[in-house]
Amino acid sequence: QQKVQQSPESLSVPEGGMASLNCTSSDRNFQYFWWYRQHSGEGPKALMSIFSDGDKKEGRFTAHLNKASLHVSLHIRDSQPSDSALYFCAARSASSGSWQLIFGSGTQLTVMP
Amino acid sequence: GGIITQTPKFLIGQEGQKLTLKCQQNFNHDTMYWYRQDSGKGLRLIYYSITENDLQKGDLSEGYDASREKKSSFSLTVTSAQKNEMAVFLCASSIHGRVFFGKGTRLTVV
Repeated sequence: QQKVQQSPESLSVPEGGMASLNCTSSDRNFQYFWWYRQHSGEGPKALMSIFSDGDKKEGRFTAHLNKASLHVSLHIRDSQPSDSALYFCAARSASSGSWQLIFGSGTQLTVMP
Repeated sequence: GGIITQTPKFLIGQEGQKLTLKCQQNFNHDTMYWYRQDSGKGLRLIYYSITENDLQKGDLSEGYDASREKKSSFSLTVTSAQKNEMAVFLCASSIHGRVFFGKGTRLTVV
């Protein structure tokens, strides 16, 4: 079983709409979460991190973390066609000296003009 | 700003061939990674290195070797390419938990 699971696999939203992406960890050691975005032909780029319970907002992007359920979500408001990309959730262990970053399988987001 | 350069961009190999992928970073980051990306399976960690001459195996290390002879470079060797293997190999470096990726090497084995 993958340690980091994402849903849905794919998502289509109209331009200006809200996109919601979900991620759950099956390993309670994973306490630090990142969202990455990958456009076609490029490497993934970090969007934002979230390490504490609650919401974290950066522009049109809001991440939410619930450590008790190991669930993290990403919400994109006022979605733009340029937001169309593959989105990854990534998690890292809270253990001291842990360097591994484990990725989920991704959500393909399409924003329709 | 810095950049991660992966060479080659495209690599076509034959079954059983030993293939080497190279990665250079000018961020001066200590930690570097190699990930494999297959369609629909996300990124899987092959090897990582927390400093020069250090190597740590990820979940997908079987069939691969890695080398970190300098802080700025991290190479990956496919020890025996498998027929019909097709994937993108991504090199990355990190600082304070934030990971920066190169654009990848696309491998095709015929």
